[in-house]
Amino acid sequence: AQRVTQPEKLLSVFKGAPVELKCNYSYSGSPELFWYVQYSRQRLQLLLRHISRESIKGFTADLNKGETSFHLKKPFAQEEDSAMYYCALETSGSRLTFGEGTQLTVNP
Amino acid sequence: SQTIHQWPATLVQPVGSPLSLECTVEGTSNPNLYWYRQAAGRGLQLLFYSVGIGQISSEVPQNLSASRPQDRQFILSSKKLLLSDSGFYLCAWAMSSYNSPLHFGNGTRLTVT
Repeated sequence: AQRVTQPEKLLSVFKGAPVELKCNYSYSGSPELFWYVQYSRQRLQLLLRHISRESIKGFTADLNKGETSFHLKKPFAQEEDSAMYYCALETSGSRLTFGEGTQLTVNP
Repeated sequence: SQTIHQWPATLVQPVGSPLSLECTVEGTSNPNLYWYRQAAGRGLQLLFYSVGIGQISSEVPQNLSASRPQDRQFILSSKKLLLSDSGFYLCAWAMSSYNSPLHFGNGTRLTVT
């Protein structure tokens, strides 16, 4: 069965420091992976997806099939990056399996 | 542009009472529709999803049911609420193509007392 693991529930960094939010997945098929973000008092929304190979708000994520990982990275964290981040895996029928989320806090 | 509406925003219901949460989508046709429950420290759990009118797939056995009476309407229901049904419920839609991102509603905070 598919599974998404985000090992860190809480992550705290200082402004300007690099940040990496970890995501590992388990899936027998070809994975399609996403990162979703929920800022305070806002809706959960898509941040980026691996198929697009894009950088959004300075964040990137690379799919590593060998390590079954899809870690989210940003070289210089900003205070406005503080939010709840969810990694998600799409399986058959356009269903998303989400990880438990990582609460990122960027301190001034 | 597409929009998703979910209501009510908050709801307090006694144990044993019925439940009806409604979600509607505007600006698109034949979307995939989803109900998720978000629990603190447990992430998002998919409860139901629908790829068309009257087509409902249940992901986990539970006290809840879902219906899709119209193309862009998705309803989450219960005949008798349990204390364990308390939580934050999210409706979402996506285009009916693979790798299409989910668009979430604002959610409903349900408290069963």
